[in-house]
Amino acid sequence: NAGVMQNPRHLVRRRGQEARLRCSPMKGHSHVYWYRQLPEEGLKFMVYLQKENIIDESGMPKERFSAEFPKEGPSILRIQQVVRGDSAAYFCASSPYSEGGYTFGSGTRLTVV
Amino acid sequence: AQRVTQPEKLLSVFKGAPVELKCNYSYSGSPELFWYVQYSRQRLQLLLRHISRESIKGFTADLNKGETSFHLKKPFAQEEDSAMYYCALSGDTDKLIFGTGTRLQVFP
Repeated sequence: NAGVMQNPRHLVRRRGQEARLRCSPMKGHSHVYWYRQLPEEGLKFMVYLQKENIIDESGMPKERFSAEFPKEGPSILRIQQVVRGDSAAYFCASSPYSEGGYTFGSGTRLTVV
Repeated sequence: AQRVTQPEKLLSVFKGAPVELKCNYSYSGSPELFWYVQYSRQRLQLLLRHISRESIKGFTADLNKGETSFHLKKPFAQEEDSAMYYCALSGDTDKLIFGTGTRLQVFP
């Protein structure tokens, strides 16, 4: 079992471009969570998804950010028209059930220049 | 509101000294509490959760509902314990609420 796989590990984007972050959950895990870690801050919840459904997106910024977890393939966190303030580490976690017990990926470090 | 507070950004101790990383929480119901550890350049790993009452790598944590605390303790720190430690809470929703983390430095 390869664990939770996130790619790319590092992503550099110019202001105004789009960023796509991918997360493949552990085999058998149907719950995916995205967190953002800004410099000097803890992890902040963004969105919780199950296959083809967004369960809780209360932590997602209202504009430019979207997430999906299709029936086939990885979960995608998409940031449109990136700005410098989007620079952060984005972590994905998966679990087999909805009561914690997360396994985290290694994260994607997004740098907006 | 659900909140996790880790008051110390940095805790430095010498090898063999006792360690206590503080965590306080705010939650009106019955939370589930976790400690996660992040070694340099590695992913977050679950260290322990209060319902399992385990001791992992010599670390223990007891949930004190009266003081709303879940402090992480180890009687004798090792250099390999140097890492970022995050306390997290799971309430009636499925998401984890994290504290800002404490960096533990263990000097030889």
